[in-house]
Amino acid sequence: NFMLTQPHSVSESPGKTVTISCTRSGGGIGGYYVQWYQQRPGSAPTTVIYEDNQRPSGVPDRFSGSIDSSSNSASLTISGLKTEDEADYYCQSYDSTNPVFGGGTQLTVL
Amino acid sequence: EVQLVESGGGLVQPGGSLRLSCAASGFTFSDHDMDWVRQAPGKGLEWVGRIRNKANSYTTEYAASVKGRFTISRDDSKTSLYLQMNSLKSEDSAVYFCARGKLHCSSGKCYSGYYGMDVWGLGTTVTVSS
Repeated sequence: NFMLTQPHSVSESPGKTVTISCTRSGGGIGGYYVQWYQQRPGSAPTTVIYEDNQRPSGVPDRFSGSIDSSSNSASLTISGLKTEDEADYYCQSYDSTNPVFGGGTQLTVL
Repeated sequence: EVQLVESGGGLVQPGGSLRLSCAASGFTFSDHDMDWVRQAPGKGLEWVGRIRNKANSYTTEYAASVKGRFTISRDDSKTSLYLQMNSLKSEDSAVYFCARGKLHCSSGKCYSGYYGMDVWGLGTTVTVSS
């Protein structure tokens, strides 16, 4: 088994750039793809990044994903922050066959 | 329009049973693996289980917290996914989402597996309480 560890919360001002980390404990971060989901209050999650760094159609290019083998972590970077980006963000990967979610990061844009 | 709609949630006593359904539309349901994910009040996302597609023999996998109590099934002819929940506990109280497993397509072929979830329903609420 492994865990994906995210910061509990981050905050930044509109127009700035924020990076949310997701550190894998156990196994290499590059072994399975990492996805990132956005969840606004009272809503279902939506995908903002899949397969480490791919954006679904409709997701602005202000959202980008990357992985870093040296720190065994994945990152979600949001540039040009907007108030509408305020949400919870979850990373997700796999433990051999089963999906595992990170604990989630609450992004506040203020 | 690609859509997943869950139903069947409600209030149930500890030890009771409930069956959730997820109606899919707007895509070829049979091509995709399907997952159930839950979210307890104020908590994060927790994967519950998945059922693979026909090409992967409808294999099911479950989180340790529900294994032996929950059963996932699907009916491709009805484009529907199900979650049978037995021996319910208070800690099973949550919003239950169904989610479509993303396909990875390359060189004209598509594969299901470990590519995340790309479509989510709005969820149905299960409350286990006496």
